[in-house]
Amino acid sequence: GAGVSQSPRYKVAKRGQDVALRCDPISGHVSLFWYQQALGQGPEFLTYFQNEAQLDKSGLPSDRFFAERPEGSVSTLKIQRTQQEDSAVYLCASSLRLEGSGYTFGSGTRLTVV
Amino acid sequence: DAKTTQPTSMDCAEGRAANLPCNHSTISGNEYVYWYRQIHSQGPQYIIHGLKNNETNEMASLIITEDRKSSTLILPHATLRDTAVYYCIVRPNYGGSQGNLIFGKGTKLSVKP
Repeated sequence: GAGVSQSPRYKVAKRGQDVALRCDPISGHVSLFWYQQALGQGPEFLTYFQNEAQLDKSGLPSDRFFAERPEGSVSTLKIQRTQQEDSAVYLCASSLRLEGSGYTFGSGTRLTVV
Repeated sequence: DAKTTQPTSMDCAEGRAANLPCNHSTISGNEYVYWYRQIHSQGPQYIIHGLKNNETNEMASLIITEDRKSSTLILPHATLRDTAVYYCIVRPNYGGSQGNLIFGKGTKLSVKP
């Protein structure tokens, strides 16, 4: 597609439930980032992939968060045993090159844990 | 932590120029100034970036002071669709997680008719 696609657009989960959030980057994009954006705040870095390799996961807030990109294209962010503080918008961004200008962001998945 | 300081909010009249300031007094020599904006319920959108020279594209102009400690994003003729949160970010111009974008809280620009 023309842009970065994320699904679902909205997700309501009961506390303790596992969720999986999907990101379809622009075809051929090497770099892929996941960000978490709490209400009223700027996005915060979670993890980074270069093709299928997860090179940085320093931003993942706990071991309940797990991300993968097995074939170097689609990526999934999984959150186990969701808690209320996980409620946020989860954004995915991709870039064609390893360096250079702007990343293209998806519209995000809004996760609400009740 | 974000390495930039921006006003929390600004208003601008439709059709007028919007000038959004950003302070980045601790910017390093290899760091670029990037601007993104985020319209409600959308992901951030790249606007422009620069190192030390002024830059212009179809969306905006970026003016960087000679000492590189501050910059101004200029939207020459603001429209209602420019209402968004504008983020000023400094980062080295290489990729990988070292090129990760560190967002602050940005400036909420409200364009009014």
